[in-house]
Parts: sequence; structure tokens; C-alpha cells
Amino acid sequence: GAGVSQSPRYKVAKRGQDVALRCDPISGHVSLFWYQQALGQGPEFLTYFQNEAQLDKSGLPSDRFFAERPEGSVSTLKIQRTQQEDSAVYLCASSSWAAGETDTQYFGPGTRLTVL
Amino acid sequence: AQTVTQSQPEMSVQEAETVTLSCTYDTSESDYYLFWYKQPPSRQMILVIRQEAYKQQNATENRFSVNFQKAAKSFSLKISDSQLGDAAMYFCAYIPPGDKIIFGKGTRLHILP
Repeated sequence: GAGVSQSPRYKVAKRGQDVALRCDPISGHVSLFWYQQALGQGPEFLTYFQNEAQLDKSGLPSDRFFAERPEGSVSTLKIQRTQQEDSAVYLCASSSWAAGETDTQYFGPGTRLTVL
Repeated sequence: AQTVTQSQPEMSVQEAETVTLSCTYDTSESDYYLFWYKQPPSRQMILVIRQEAYKQQNATENRFSVNFQKAAKSFSLKISDSQLGDAAMYFCAYIPPGDKIIFGKGTRLHILP
């Protein structure tokens, strides 16, 4: 596709429910990132994939958060037993290794998660 | 710790005027990348401009230009001929080589008609 897409755009969950957020990166992009953005704040890093390998998950706030990218393309961020503090916008970004593009991340529109 | 500081939580500028958003960062690295991203109310984060630390020449993209002062660890964004569509949150970001991106807290820019 032309850009990074994410689905759903909005998700409302009851506390304790599990949710799954999907990210489709730009075709051919090797690197994929997940961020959490609280209202009025900058994005905070959650995790990073290079192809299917999860190279850094240091930003995941708890073991309720799990991310995967099994075929090196689409990625899913799963949050188990959601809590109110999980309410935020979850952003996905991808980047290429092409010359002149290294480390430039392109972002999706985000998924706004509201936990009631 | 590596940090990015945007000292102006909000700014306003008259349409067609010029505005400068400030950003400073703290690092011990010599090679890194700096970015300005724009996030309109629709929430899509859009890349505005990119600067490699090893390049002395300031990056420009149409009405957007940066003043990169490596020794001072400063990376300000200048928007010329401001337009209503420039209204957004602007985030300064820093990436050390092979590491994760670090964002500032953002500056909300208002354009006054």
C-alpha cells in the first residue's frame, strides 16, 4: 500500500478484555515499530521488529503486552486483561533500509484505545 | 540519559508570518539523525524534515527549514509563510544509530487568520 495502515482506528474495551491491534507497514519495509501516545504527550517506544525478529521490547509496560510479526510484514500488538491506564493511542511506524531513508520512520494513523 | 526538550508547549503565529520552534537534545553520540514530525488533529504523524548529524548544511523542505547547531545540540524548525494547514502538534525527534527514536513532548502551533 501507499502508507502504513492500522486497524481498527478506534477500539473501546471493557476492563479485563483482551484486544488486538493490527499494523500493515509500507510494503518492503524491514523495520516496524510500535509506540504508545498518551493524550498531549509525545509517542513512547514500545517495541521494534526487524523482519520477523523482535529485537527490542524494552518499552512494553507489562507482560500483558505482546507483539508479533510472524511473516515479517503485518504486525499485531495484543494487550491482555486491559486496564484503564492502557487507554492511549497506539501508533505503528515502519522504515526502510534504502539509501537515504535509514532511520526515517513513517507512521500510521494510530488506533485510539479506550478502556472503560 | 538521552533526552529531547521542546521548551514551548504552545505557540501562535499570524498567517503568512514566520515562526521558529525550538528543540534541544542531550547526547554523547557524534552520529545520529534528527527529525521534525507534524501531527494534525487527525492524528497521522507526518514527517516534515530530516537532518543527518554529520551534514553541516541545514535541511530545507519548501517552507520548512532547520537551524542545526551541533555543538549547542540545538535543532530548531522555521516555518515561513505560515498557512492555516500548518496548525498541528510538532514533535522533535532524535535517533542515535541503531537505537530507538526519542520524541520531545511537542509544541502545539496555532495559526491565526
